[in-house]
Amino acid sequence: TQLLEQSPQFLSIQEGENLTVYCNSSSVFSSLQWYRQEPGEGPVLLVTVVTGGEVKKLKRLTFQFGDARKDSSLHITAAQPGDTGLYLCAGGPLRNAGNMLTFGGGTRLMVKP
Amino acid sequence: ETGVTQTPRHLVMGMTNKKSLKCEQHLGHNAMYWYKQSAKKPLELMFVYSLEERVENNSVPSRFSPECPNSSHLFLHLHTLQPEDSALYLCASSQALYVVDYGYTFGSGTRLTVV
Repeated sequence: TQLLEQSPQFLSIQEGENLTVYCNSSSVFSSLQWYRQEPGEGPVLLVTVVTGGEVKKLKRLTFQFGDARKDSSLHITAAQPGDTGLYLCAGGPLRNAGNMLTFGGGTRLMVKP
Repeated sequence: ETGVTQTPRHLVMGMTNKKSLKCEQHLGHNAMYWYKQSAKKPLELMFVYSLEERVENNSVPSRFSPECPNSSHLFLHLHTLQPEDSALYLCASSQALYVVDYGYTFGSGTRLTVV
């Protein structure tokens, strides 16, 4: 069974602070995705990383896929209240075995003005 | 507009009621999914359909019954639910079952409360 552990589970920070959330597994994934879910809505895809060591930037968000493709991190610079939400990572199976995404438990972020 | 529409957004039902959740996607995707999201738990995959064929039933109790009449529509029929079934039920779609790299498109969910 492939499991994704996200940390921290909860994070409350002030506007303007930086933060990093982590997504770790003992299994190798073919790809890794990050989603953000706002209250009362479904998750929305932010990014997909597919190559070990890959770094992608989306405005103030920086996503990194570990060299061994077992872990990923999301770094937010100068967080804003609009960044508040549940951040979910999801791993794609190696060689499409099982073919479903595996979701982590999520990091709930609150950014206070 | 996410491309995946779920109705109703909110549902309160008694344990003896029968109701249905509806999901519709206009993205031309071939795979559709039902997920359950409870507080403090990871997303739980319930059912998967590919080209209208059910390909996964993740040990879900029989009081949940899915239906996929065509590749654009997915239903979840509910009957004799328990209070612990209260949760956010999310529908998602993807281009194809074996293509995960483009991610899933989720609907806004149905917040279900069983009383």
